[in-house]
Amino acid sequence: EPEVTQTPSHQVTQMGQEVILRCVPISNHLYFYWYRQILGQKVEFLVSFYNNEISEKSEIFDDQFSVERPDGSNFTLKIRSTKLEDSAMYFCASSAGQGAQPQHFGDGTRLSIL
Amino acid sequence: GENVEQHPSTLSVQEGDSAVIKCTYSDSASNYFPWYKQELGKGPQLIIDIRSNVGEKKDQRIAVTLNKTAKHFSLHITETQPEDSAVYFCAASKGTDKLIFGTGTRLQVFP
Repeated sequence: EPEVTQTPSHQVTQMGQEVILRCVPISNHLYFYWYRQILGQKVEFLVSFYNNEISEKSEIFDDQFSVERPDGSNFTLKIRSTKLEDSAMYFCASSAGQGAQPQHFGDGTRLSIL
Repeated sequence: GENVEQHPSTLSVQEGDSAVIKCTYSDSASNYFPWYKQELGKGPQLIIDIRSNVGEKKDQRIAVTLNKTAKHFSLHITETQPEDSAVYFCAASKGTDKLIFGTGTRLQVFP
């Protein structure tokens, strides 16, 4: 069964450094998402992306965050200058259609900011 | 904005018993309600979903019910097995794709 893959599984970064999290969505999907989950808490929406542009973003997704689909298969989340509070699990998801369509999640990247 | 509440936060059942997890949502425009299972170290895995034009959906031992008037939906797992042990999340969406998640239920099934 097709799946969403994320790399790396764990990223340790010094505060203030830039980090890029990578995702390969399911190949025929057109809608892409990033969510985050702080340890022990619920999953929170960050951003959705379609047709090479952001569809929607949350309050969490401030100017330090950016997303990109650099080629036909990858979808990346960049945090420009990391803060301690950015430590969390970051999940990528993709779906085939918009509205009431299943979103399939990867296994996440654990980001630890020191 | 949309808010999703989920109860209970923890649930312990004996193998073979049923488990029920309940969620309520605030935005009456929500029209899609998926349930995810999250095992340790893994991402959320979609296990069942329901759309607002349907009141109930069943897939083997798992069923979901939706009451649009009361704005609540429930996950029912029958004949629970130890491998059902995980954290379960409900979510709601109103067609804008963004999923709003509940706070999760940790289900433990004891053999």
